Amino acid sequence: EIVLTQSPGTLSLSPGERAALSCRASQSLSSSSLAWYQQKPGQAPRLLIYGASSRATGIPDRFSGSGSGTDFTLTISRLEPEDFAVYYCQQFGRSYTFGQGTKLEIK
Amino acid sequence: EVQLVQSGAEVKKPGESLRISCKGSGYSFPSYWINWVRQMPGKGLEWIGKIDPGDSYINYSPSFQGHVTISADKSIGTAYLQWSSLKASDTAIYFCARQHYYGSSVGFDSWGQGTLVTVSS
Repeated sequence: EIVLTQSPGTLSLSPGERAALSCRASQSLSSSSLAWYQQKPGQAPRLLIYGASSRATGIPDRFSGSGSGTDFTLTISRLEPEDFAVYYCQQFGRSYTFGQGTKLEIK
Repeated sequence: EVQLVQSGAEVKKPGESLRISCKGSGYSFPSYWINWVRQMPGKGLEWIGKIDPGDSYINYSPSFQGHVTISADKSIGTAYLQWSSLKASDTAIYFCARQHYYGSSVGFDSWGQGTLVTVSS
């Protein structure tokens, strides 16, 4: 099973700042096999990024994804108040797995 | 509009059986895999398994194989997740999610609202 490790566990930033969230895989992944989600309290997750770097429908361009192999990054260029949430990466290899999540909180 | 609507919250006792549902609308239900995801209280997301409603082919996470059963009825556009004997550790929110292919890439592009299952004596 491919394990995804996200860091940091919690990230404290202010609106307007730039956020960089990391997702590291225990084995090399195809870039097409990595997605990112946002989850707010009491809500279902929302797809942000698929294929490591492609934004899903309706996702603002301040969200971007990058990376390859075992190291992937979700970047939010200028944090808006509504961006403070928990973020998960997910891989679609032989069996699907999620990272443990990064909580992005207001500083 | 694509929608996945899940059945309501359940409170059960250990050892009881349960089936929860996920009804798709606004798209061709047989054409998209449906996945099930668990979220235990205050914890992260865990992939349980998926079903192709078109032919009922199922793939389980090794962590959940043998503990739950996934099924679907394409005639009514509904997928199911069931337990034959619940445990307290099954207490969680369960989400269904549609799997969408973007060329060779994949994402869960539409989610149900979640079903809270509480197992307590």
